[in-house]
Amino acid sequence: NAGVTQTPKFRVLKTGQSMTLLCAQDMNHEYMYWYRQDPGMGLRLIHYSVGEGTTAKGEVPDGYNVSRLKKQNFLLGLESAAPSQTSVYFCASSYSFRGSYNSPLHFGNGTRLTVT
Amino acid sequence: AQKITQTQPGMFVQEKEAVTLDCTYDTSDPSYGLFWYKQPSSGEMIFLIYQGSYDQQNATEGRYSLNFQKARKSANLVISASQLGDSAMYFCAMRIAGGTSYGKLTFGQGTILTVHP
Repeated sequence: NAGVTQTPKFRVLKTGQSMTLLCAQDMNHEYMYWYRQDPGMGLRLIHYSVGEGTTAKGEVPDGYNVSRLKKQNFLLGLESAAPSQTSVYFCASSYSFRGSYNSPLHFGNGTRLTVT
Repeated sequence: AQKITQTQPGMFVQEKEAVTLDCTYDTSDPSYGLFWYKQPSSGEMIFLIYQGSYDQQNATEGRYSLNFQKARKSANLVISASQLGDSAMYFCAMRIAGGTSYGKLTFGQGTILTVHP
């Protein structure tokens, strides 16, 4: 059981280049999330999805776009990368809980992105 | 809005000693869950322990326990009998049960724990 898989693990981009990060989960989870981790700031939510075909903005959405065409996949896109987007990106997923909130998020292993 | 505060950027503990990592939170929602995650140097996020806002007893999972003080809005993680492998970053996080929260976790800044032999 793979859980949550992120690709790629590492990437270096030049300013202005674009890329897509792929997240795949095999747990049939409804909810999926993209976070970024920066030193001293913990993890901050970029975008999230509550089901196939739906997406919503999180705390720091600017400069990113997402798509959830299939339930198991959640893509994060950077259209024109900037040095401020240098970070570690985590994808996570969970069941929809409809009032139950004790289910932990399951995280992928992260993608380390450097923008020069 | 929800907020999680971890005021200890770094903590040091001697092997086999106990250590407490502080976490305070702020929310107006009466129904919420508090989580602790461990992030070793390899980078993955490992779920450690959960406490619900209506739980009467403090949560425990092996050497981990959560000192939940609802009135003070604190949810400190206690690690007993520290091991070298406990050296890692630790994050406190909160999830509210409100209908539009959609399970989002709000994280604190993290505490780096170093265990000395």
